[in-house]
Amino acid sequence: AQTVTQSQPEMSVQEAETVTLSCTYDTSESDYYLFWYKQPPSRQMILVIRQEAYKQQNATENRFSVNFQKAAKSFSLKISDSQLGDAAMYFCAYRGLYNTDKLIFGTGTRLQVFP
Amino acid sequence: ETGVTQTPRHLVMGMTNKKSLKCEQHLGHNAMYWYKQSAKKPLELMFVYNFKEQTENNSVPSRFSPECPNSSHLFLHLHTLQPEDSALYLCASSLHSGTSGDNEQFFGPGTRLTVL
Repeated sequence: AQTVTQSQPEMSVQEAETVTLSCTYDTSESDYYLFWYKQPPSRQMILVIRQEAYKQQNATENRFSVNFQKAAKSFSLKISDSQLGDAAMYFCAYRGLYNTDKLIFGTGTRLQVFP
Repeated sequence: ETGVTQTPRHLVMGMTNKKSLKCEQHLGHNAMYWYKQSAKKPLELMFVYNFKEQTENNSVPSRFSPECPNSSHLFLHLHTLQPEDSALYLCASSLHSGTSGDNEQFFGPGTRLTVL
């Protein structure tokens, strides 16, 4: 069975600085999707960034980028130029290519942003 | 209203009560999901509906009873709950389910349930 591990329950960063959130996963599948979701205190979960495992190029979305290391089964999220609005819970998630109903989530990392 | 909405946002109930959670999506999607989010635990998928038909029940106790009258609405009927059922219940929708490829799920804000 697939598992997703986020080993950092809490992280903090100063405004305008860069922070990296860690995620590792375990799977025997060769093709899959990986996601980072953000859940602000208002609780609506939104998709931040996605990565297809068959793509070697790391995904980027504005200030958000990932470091995808397939062999190491590592999928970290880098937030550049952090803003106060980035404060939230961040969840790493896995989905197999063919079983697209089941998103497997990590336990989350709470990110605090200080002015 | 846009996206995925859930009502109520907060619910407190006793173990003998019967209540229902409601989810509505305004995205034209065909698949809807119920998740349970407990503190310090990963989100747990509970149920999946695709075109109103239940396609997944993730070993959820029968005190949780889902209903999907159409592709836009999803309910979770609750009865005889236990205190350990207290959690945030999230609804999500996607264009379809059970197919390969990208199938992004959009989440609602959740219902915070407390069982006394």
